[in-house]
Amino acid sequence: AQRVTQPEKLLSVFKGAPVELKCNYSYSGSPELFWYVQYSRQRLQLLLRHISRESIKGFTADLNKGETSFHLKKPFAQEEDSAMYYCALDNYGQNFVFGPGTRLSVLP
Amino acid sequence: NAGVMQNPRHLVRRRGQEARLRCSPMKGHSHVYWYRQLPEEGLKFMVYLQKENIIDESGMPKERFSAEFPKEGPSILRIQQVVRGDSAAYFCASSPSNAAREAFFGQGTRLTVV
Repeated sequence: AQRVTQPEKLLSVFKGAPVELKCNYSYSGSPELFWYVQYSRQRLQLLLRHISRESIKGFTADLNKGETSFHLKKPFAQEEDSAMYYCALDNYGQNFVFGPGTRLSVLP
Repeated sequence: NAGVMQNPRHLVRRRGQEARLRCSPMKGHSHVYWYRQLPEEGLKFMVYLQKENIIDESGMPKERFSAEFPKEGPSILRIQQVVRGDSAAYFCASSPSNAAREAFFGQGTRLTVV
């Protein structure tokens, strides 16, 4: 069955420190993975998708099929990065399977 | 384009009452998805609708829950005879096509059953 796991419910780092939010998935087929972010009191927004191999707000994520992972990384965290982050898997184009989310708290 | 609009943002219902959640998709979008987020969990797919059609309701509880997306007006998620376990955040997303990956999300409706 399609599944997304995010082992950390809460991740706290100091401003300027590197951050890595972990995501693992199980999927039969060629997966398409995404990271969504939800800032306080705002809607869920697409942060990045693995297909476009882009860097948004300094974040990057590499799909590792061998480890079935899609970890989100940023070399220097900023306070404005504090938010809920959701890893999501495109379920055969029909809907998304979301992970439980990780709350990132960047401390001053 | 105001984005996907959901209302109300917060809804309080007593056990046994009905809850109606509305979702107005983005202009030009004719595909709507509903997700539910229970406390401490990720978003779970409930139902996918196109105008006047339910395409996939595999994530919808079999009883008390229904959804519609009429030709005119918003999509409605209706929960009859609510119970405490229905307390959750309900998110709607809309898409211009049948590809879920192109969907944009609303801000959600937080339902609290007391």
